[in-house]
Amino acid sequence: GAVVSQHPSRVICKSGTSVKIECRSLDFQATTMFWYRQFPKQSLMLMATSNEGSKATYEQGVEKDKFLINHASLTLSTLTVTSAHPEDSSFYICSAPQITADYGYTFGSGTRLTVV
Amino acid sequence: AQSVTQLGSHVSVSEGALVLLRCNYSSSVPPYLFWYVQYPNQGLQLLLKYTSAATLVKGINGFEAEFKKSETSFHLTKPSAHMSDAAEYFCAVTPYSSASKIIFGSGTRLSIRP
Repeated sequence: GAVVSQHPSRVICKSGTSVKIECRSLDFQATTMFWYRQFPKQSLMLMATSNEGSKATYEQGVEKDKFLINHASLTLSTLTVTSAHPEDSSFYICSAPQITADYGYTFGSGTRLTVV
Repeated sequence: AQSVTQLGSHVSVSEGALVLLRCNYSSSVPPYLFWYVQYPNQGLQLLLKYTSAATLVKGINGFEAEFKKSETSFHLTKPSAHMSDAAEYFCAVTPYSSASKIIFGSGTRLSIRP
C-alpha cells in the first residue's frame, strides 16, 4: 500500500534553532500534503496544506514565517520550524491524499519535536 | 464547513464487552467520514471509511461503523473488546471532493479493563 515516510521520528533541539521535518511519498505522487500538529492528549490540528510547485496555504492563526513549508517535488514535502521555542514542542504529522484510492489518506508516522 | 463531535473523551470497557465510540458530524455537503486509531507516539491508522456506498462499513480489527444521515452520526462499534484495542480513536470528516483536508474530532481514549 501507499506509504508516507516521515523523518525524523524524534528530535530535540535548542531554543532558537531550526528543525526540518521531511515527508516522502514512497510509491505514489503526492501533489498535496497536509501538515498537522498535535499537543499531548489533544486532537490533530491542521496547520497548512502544501501543493507541489505552489505556495502553501496556512490555517488561521498559524505563523507562515515560523512554519516554512516547501513542496518542491511530487514526492517530497518539508516543514521547517524556524527559531524554535519550547511552546513549539509538539507532535507533527503529515498526510497525503490518494485520489485514485477511493479517497484514502496516508499519514506519516509523526515527528516528536522537543525544544529545550 | 465540516466538523465532527466525539462524545466522551474517555471510554472504559471490560475485555470482551461491546465497544461504542460516538461521533456526530456536521457538513454542508455529502461527507466522507473516517475512523482512525492512534497508538502512543505513532501516526494514524485507518480503521474504516464511509464514502457514500454502503451505510454499514466494516473495517479492520473487527470494528464497524454505521452512517446514519438522519442522525448525522457515524458511531464506531466492536462486539468484543480486546486489550490491544486500548488506544486513541479519532473520527474525521472531509467534504465530497477530491484531496480536501480532513477535519478531526477531539478524540476518544479507549481503555480496556481486564
